[in-house]
Amino acid sequence: ETGVTQTPRHLVMGMTNKKSLKCEQHLGHNAMYWYKQSAKKPLELMFVYNFKEQTENNSVPSRFSPECPNSSHLFLHLHTLQPEDSALYLCASSPLAGGSGETQYFGPGTRLLVL
Amino acid sequence: AQKVTQAQTEISVVEKEDVTLDCVYETRDTTYYLFWYKQPPSGELVFLIRRNSFDEQNEISGRYSWNFQKSTSSFNFTITASQVVDSAVYFCALYPRSGGATNKLIFGTGTLLAVQP
Repeated sequence: ETGVTQTPRHLVMGMTNKKSLKCEQHLGHNAMYWYKQSAKKPLELMFVYNFKEQTENNSVPSRFSPECPNSSHLFLHLHTLQPEDSALYLCASSPLAGGSGETQYFGPGTRLLVL
Repeated sequence: AQKVTQAQTEISVVEKEDVTLDCVYETRDTTYYLFWYKQPPSGELVFLIRRNSFDEQNEISGRYSWNFQKSTSSFNFTITASQVVDSAVYFCALYPRSGGATNKLIFGTGTLLAVQP
């Protein structure tokens, strides 16, 4: 595997379900990100991790819970979501966060539908 | 304010035409970085180019070229001899380097390019 991978690629869940999104990067980077992409809206940064430590939580509701066990893996735990949370969730990685504008490399995303 | 504006929501061209995607940015920072990404229907954002604010040289990569003009705060992207495979949403993004660990990549709303055969 190369680059940034995300699983699952598609997910349908009910509002009472609990699910997790997984992201893995094979680039040797130290920073990882979660973004939300909704229709007709700019990409929204959700969370940033730098060397496994969370450095940014962009006022994300607590029904989204990130986890970064190491610099290569990032999870987004989902519970009691709302239909408006339906979106494409993108993971990205970069050499560092908050540095010299390092390029972020993105995964293919998980298309989430909340019923 | 830190902002990226991509005024063209959708562009449709016929194959082999040249097309320019506009990007205008706002920042008070003197040091910043500009990016272009391509998002095909599969969803993944593909990195195309990164440019820092001190390098105003235009860049060409195959059929792609970028025109960075600080005087007009623009970073436009031109595809020469477009192909159907160029059909995608293209995002321009700004990374203002104000200092600290909370700098964010600010995206425009994207331009949907449809290249017709």
